[in-house]
Formats: sequence, C-alpha cells, structure tokens
Amino acid sequence: DAKTTQPPSMDCAEGRAANLPCNHSTISGNEYVYWYRQIHSQGPQYIIHGLKNNETNEMASLIITEDRKSSTLILPHATLRDTAVYYCIVRAWGLGGTSYGKLTFGQGTILTVHP
Amino acid sequence: EAGVTQSPTHLIKTRGQQVTLRCSPISGHTSVYWYQQALGLGLQFLLWYDEGEERNRGNFPPRFSGRQFPNYSSELNVNALELEDSALYLCASSLDRAETQYFGPGTRLLVL
Repeated sequence: DAKTTQPPSMDCAEGRAANLPCNHSTISGNEYVYWYRQIHSQGPQYIIHGLKNNETNEMASLIITEDRKSSTLILPHATLRDTAVYYCIVRAWGLGGTSYGKLTFGQGTILTVHP
Repeated sequence: EAGVTQSPTHLIKTRGQQVTLRCSPISGHTSVYWYQQALGLGLQFLLWYDEGEERNRGNFPPRFSGRQFPNYSSELNVNALELEDSALYLCASSLDRAETQYFGPGTRLLVL
C-alpha cells in the first residue's frame, strides 16, 4: 500500500471548517483513500473513503486531487467532539499480497478544536 | 444495528499467563481483523480471518493466534504474555474481504 504523509497536528475553531490534508504521491490506480479518526482510547471510527471522485457523507467531505497524489478531508462545521487523531490510509482492493486485507495506520493528525 | 462488540473491556494479567479476547462482528459481516495499539507504537495489524480461515498475518510472533467461528465471531489468543503485550486490542469487521472495516471499542490488556 502507498505511504501517506499528514501534518502531526492542527488546530481549528469551533464552528469553522477543518481541512485536513494528506499526501499520497505514490498511490496506484487500484488504491482507495480512507479516512478514520480515533477519539482518545476508543476504537477508530470510519469517516469516508474515495477512489478519484470527491465524496460527501453526513460526517465529512473528501476532496481528491485530479492526479490523486493528495487529498483533503473537510469537516464543514467542527465541534469540540471532533477533537481526535485523524488517519489517512491508502488501501488497495486487489487480491493477494502481504498487504491484503490490512489497514496500515501512520501517526495521523491530531486535530484540536478550540471553543 | 449493533456495532462490533469486544469482551472483556479491560483485563489484567501477569507475565507468562495466557489470555483470550473475543470479538463479535457486525451482523452479516464475514471478515474479522485484529489490531494491536501499544503505547507509542500506533495501530499494528495482527490477523485477518475470513470465512473461518486465516487470510493474512502481521509481523507478530506465533504466540499470537486466533480463530473464527462458524457464526463469524472470533477469538484472539496470546500465550506466554510479556510486559510489552500491554496494549489496546482492537477488532474490526467488514461485510466482505474488500469492504470498509468497522472497529469495536477494544480490549485494554495490562500485563504486570
């Protein structure tokens, strides 16, 4: 699976949009971009994923650049409960190989939402 | 719909003991994954079970093992516990082998 690079930490004011960047310059054609978040000591929570088109759900929007080398997770109106570690993960949906089935978590971005 | 459930929530063991952790996937999900989150080491993939078979294994010693039952629930067994096995053990499930993984709340294991 391709490696991802995220800033170690970001701050956001409550009520404002939080834009979390992720670089995945070595992504290949069959790899999806996934976002999870982990609130302190809880299990990771799935947020959104996409291949090449922008995606939106009730939690967030995912913007993927045309060359697919980077993406941005957007939380449109951040609240204090959005304070968490956000993980950007690239995952292949192909069959076989040592990376098959597993998610490879990096260090993520610690997002702190301030009142 | 109930999410992934894990038991117990917390566990304290001593070095050399054995432990069994349990996971029930979301109803209809056939794949179960195990991850370890030790302090300062991040989330590490442990094992993946699908349709009762082990499909992939992370870089962990053989004393970490598991199984998946016909109802798709799963157990993770750790033998000969070491201090560094202290961690949050997370289980995830997916509808099929290529689908999105959904995580449970985890079991926190402390080895003294």
